[in-house]
Amino acid sequence: AQTVTQSQPEMSVQEAETVTLSCTYDTSENNYYLFWYKQPPSRQMILVIRQEAYKQQNATENRFSVNFQKAAKSFSLKISDSQLGDTAMYFCAFVNPGSGNTGKLIFGQGTTLQVKP
Amino acid sequence: ETGVTQSPTHLIKTRGQQVTLRCSSQSGHNTVSWYQQALGQGPQFIFQYYREEENGRGNFPPRFSGLQFPNYSSELNVNALELDDSALYLCASSLVPDSYYEQYFGPGTRLTVT
Repeated sequence: AQTVTQSQPEMSVQEAETVTLSCTYDTSENNYYLFWYKQPPSRQMILVIRQEAYKQQNATENRFSVNFQKAAKSFSLKISDSQLGDTAMYFCAFVNPGSGNTGKLIFGQGTTLQVKP
Repeated sequence: ETGVTQSPTHLIKTRGQQVTLRCSSQSGHNTVSWYQQALGQGPQFIFQYYREEENGRGNFPPRFSGLQFPNYSSELNVNALELDDSALYLCASSLVPDSYYEQYFGPGTRLTVT
């Protein structure tokens, strides 16, 4: 079975500092996509960043970047220059676009991030 | 570009009743997925609709059913409600196969079963 694990239930960071959220996953597939989603207290889930497994280069979106280690099945999210608006629950998610599968997302348990002023 | 919308925002039902939740896809999207999110947990996949047909189902009983309409909007129906059905129900739309399986979520419907 494919699983996603986030081992940090809660984290906090001072405004303007850097924080890294961890995620590991388990799959026997070679082709898949990984995502980080942000869910603020207002609850609408927002896509933060995407990584294709066939790409060795780590994805970057402004202050957000990932460290994708395919062999270790690790996919961490780094948030630089943390802002108060980054306070949210962050979910790591996996999808395997296999035959007949148009995108069932498998989510981790989430990490609650608190950015402190 | 219109984002994903869901209605109603909140709903309170009694055990044994039936409920229908609604979702409008982001414009241009052809696939809708439904997820159940218990408090403090990650979303769990219920099922997905692609071109008006169910295309994949998670570990949910048959009393969870759905529809997708020609305009790609969707409904989630839950019969014989149980207390454990209390959760946030999220709808997500995507454009398959173009969009790298990125899914865009609505704000959710908070269902409380008493």
